[in-house]
Amino acid sequence: SQKIEQNSEALNIQEGKTATLTCNYTNYSPAYLQWYRQDPGRGPVFLLLIRENEKEKRKERLKVTFDTTLKQSLFHITASQPADSATYLCALDPFQDTNAGKSTFGDGTTLTVKP
Amino acid sequence: GAVVSQHPSWVICKSGTSVKIECRSLDFQATTMFWYRQFPKQSLMLMATSNEGSKATYEQGVEKDKFLINHASLTLSTLTVTSAHPEDSSFYICSARIVETQYFGPGTRLLVL
Repeated sequence: SQKIEQNSEALNIQEGKTATLTCNYTNYSPAYLQWYRQDPGRGPVFLLLIRENEKEKRKERLKVTFDTTLKQSLFHITASQPADSATYLCALDPFQDTNAGKSTFGDGTTLTVKP
Repeated sequence: GAVVSQHPSWVICKSGTSVKIECRSLDFQATTMFWYRQFPKQSLMLMATSNEGSKATYEQGVEKDKFLINHASLTLSTLTVTSAHPEDSSFYICSARIVETQYFGPGTRLLVL
């Protein structure tokens, strides 16, 4: 069965350091992968999308890599700040038209950036 | 940017009553919206795909008679939890897509006593 695993439930780092979150998947061939941020009691907010034929994407302090051979995506936040503390979700979207639009979400990793 | 709203943001109801949650796309039209539920410290679980002008498509294991979905216009989808029970207490979130990206509503916290 399809499975998405995010490296750990919680990640604690010091302000200024780079946070690296991992998303691994099995039994899945995604057309693209997305990362979202979710704050407590709120809906997720879109951050970045990377396609299966792309290796890396950047947006300000955020960087995403996508390795379809390893079936893994890494999400980096450089120069982290306490305001980056949140839960980060990865989501995969399939190629198949019949399942178009049906993202599958990982359980999320809760990042805490300490001042 | 694309904004999706939900109403109410939280609701407490008695067991056996029905609760309606609204999802609106404020600055764009959405032919398709999605309804998710999320339990504490768990992932988003897709419940159903709401299609404007046609029947919703439910995921396996989701009771269509219990979770009624109506997508009457290009900017509004509603989820009605019928005869709610305590086990229906959860965080319900809707989303709408623009091309590949999903824009989520702020969520509705439902507590059934």
